Amino acid sequence: DTAVSQTPKYLVTQMGNDKSIKCEQNLGHDTMYWYKQDSKKFLKIMFSYNNKELIINETVPNRFSPKSPDKAHLNLHINSLELGDSAVYFCASSRGLAGINEQFFGPGTRLTVL
Amino acid sequence: QQQVKQSPQSLIVQKGGISIINCAYENTAFDYFPWYQQFPGKGPALLIAIRPDVSEKKEGRFTISFNKSAKQFSLHIMDSQPGDSATYFCAATGNQFYFGTGTSLTVIP
Repeated sequence: DTAVSQTPKYLVTQMGNDKSIKCEQNLGHDTMYWYKQDSKKFLKIMFSYNNKELIINETVPNRFSPKSPDKAHLNLHINSLELGDSAVYFCASSRGLAGINEQFFGPGTRLTVL
Repeated sequence: QQQVKQSPQSLIVQKGGISIINCAYENTAFDYFPWYQQFPGKGPALLIAIRPDVSEKKEGRFTISFNKSAKQFSLHIMDSQPGDSATYFCAATGNQFYFGTGTSLTVIP
């Protein structure tokens, strides 16, 4: 039983397209995150939601829009995809905001923009 | 601005050797220092963590050493094994998580 799941695992698309990545957690956590990991393995936080409310919105292009329909789901929609968007995107969740709360990561979605 | 600085970027160790990864931070408001381990094709997972009121924490072959006055902490992997080959991230948390830049560890048989 996967704690944090993401779909799809792989996404290959053309520049200019719009795509979505879905994330679900069954841990009962209040906080969910989206991270981008580039080819150098840097983990960059993009968004953080707590109880469906946007808490952290790092400097991310407006083409990226998170949507949290409920506490268990946090989806990421990307408009007008660019070559530089190619990366692995990780969803994560934690019981609360930062502090001593462990983050549980999903398996990642490898996005390739051609 | 990188809140947590991590070094080295990559590390190659012989099987049985000691792997050491170092991290440094500036913000004294940080109150929890976890390490995450990431295998290829997987998401990061919590390995071990320490609070700033403790100078050392050991779990099996993994030890965190913490120097509060120097604002530095490090991960030591004793008797390194090929199965330890992964990317390791240090992190610091206060009201937000901050990850280091990662260290790619390769343990040679």
